Amino acid sequence: ETGVTQTPRHLVMGMTNKKSLKCEQHLGHNAMYWYKQSAKKPLELMFVYNFKEQTENNSVPSRFSPECPNSSHLFLHLHTLQPEDSALYLCASSQGAGTHNQPQHFGDGTRLSIL
Amino acid sequence: GENVEQHPSTLSVQEGDSAVIKCTYSDSASNYFPWYKQELGKRPQLIIDIRSNVGEKKDQRIAVTLNKTAKHFSLHITETQPEDSAVYFCAAVQGGSEKLVFGKGTKLTVNP
Repeated sequence: ETGVTQTPRHLVMGMTNKKSLKCEQHLGHNAMYWYKQSAKKPLELMFVYNFKEQTENNSVPSRFSPECPNSSHLFLHLHTLQPEDSALYLCASSQGAGTHNQPQHFGDGTRLSIL
Repeated sequence: GENVEQHPSTLSVQEGDSAVIKCTYSDSASNYFPWYKQELGKRPQLIIDIRSNVGEKKDQRIAVTLNKTAKHFSLHITETQPEDSAVYFCAAVQGGSEKLVFGKGTKLTVNP
């Protein structure tokens, strides 16, 4: 299943670098999500976008900056990250736009390591 | 907000046995409960979901039950196979939103 694709799959960066994660969905969905998955912790929702508008920011530090130019693309811009930000970052999409309780489909994630 | 607790954190069964994973939630307005399976190094994949207007749903060897009064729901896998080995996550949608809150996961190992 390649409905939600994420690039890059792996990323190693220093604390002073700036990088971006990219997510693209080919499912015709209107809602997109960023999640953080760390070892021994639940999947943590970071941001929700519905029809390109941010509808949820789950108290995420400003060193993570999302961008949603259209319903098919979602970016996560990274700047001045900390070692504890090392994790798997997952993108997901769902039908959204007020159609609650619809399944979310995940990408393969970007494994981020901060040196 | 919603809080989801999942038990057990690890579960080991023999091939052919049944496996049961249990979750509780706190938000009485929650009305959608999906289960995801995540194999090592792979994406979480939806395996079954249930909405609050039903008490049970079945798909071949997988079933989910929901008790809204007690605010708990469970995943049942029968006739387990080695390929069922993975981490399973339950989730509940926070009432009136698109926000899914996940449990911490259960690592299921099916021994041949």
